[in-house]
Amino acid sequence: GESVGLHLPTLSVQEGDNSIINCAYSNSASDYFIWYKQESGKGPQFIIDIRSNMDKRQGQRVTVLLNKTVKHLSLQIAATQPGDSAVYFCAENGSSGSARQLTFGSGTQLTVLP
Amino acid sequence: GAGVSQTPSNKVTEKGKYVELRCDPISGHTALYWYRQSLGQGPEFLIYFQGTGAADDSGLPNDRFFAVRPEGSVSTLKIQRTERGDSAVYLCASSLGQGGQFFGPGTRLTVL
Repeated sequence: GESVGLHLPTLSVQEGDNSIINCAYSNSASDYFIWYKQESGKGPQFIIDIRSNMDKRQGQRVTVLLNKTVKHLSLQIAATQPGDSAVYFCAENGSSGSARQLTFGSGTQLTVLP
Repeated sequence: GAGVSQTPSNKVTEKGKYVELRCDPISGHTALYWYRQSLGQGPEFLIYFQGTGAADDSGLPNDRFFAVRPEGSVSTLKIQRTERGDSAVYLCASSLGQGGQFFGPGTRLTVL
């Protein structure tokens, strides 16, 4: 079936370094992608989104890259801070049902080391 | 401004009981979504409302699950005859049109 998946379940980075979290998707019909951050015991927090007519979008300390050719999405976090430690999910629309359904990957646990 | 709120934050019930979970979306958001998240997994879509009507309920696992949004704002997810497998965090999100979905803190449901 169609799915959104992440390459690595865990990622550890030194404080101050840049982080890159990757995501592969399989549905070429998806046209909207979102990255969420989820801390323990909390709901997913919207970080940044991108539509399929773009290949890059920047926010505050974060950049999302979309490569539609290889169906790959990445989240780059600049100057990673301890508060960035969380599980990061990518999500896509278009896998099934209405275009409003988001299909989430299983998540990457980011740990920021002091 | 206020985000999405959900009540209760935790609900413990016994197998076979009926539960209701409430979601208050961000003011002005016309779309409302329910998802379910099991431990260690990403959220899974249940149902989506546009206004008062359920535009897509294809994610509801069976007819024990039902959701309403009678006035186009607050929504209630209802689960009948709860089973242990229903234990999960139930997340609500809202969006303005086709924009990003913003999530609430979730309700942790435990069925004993």
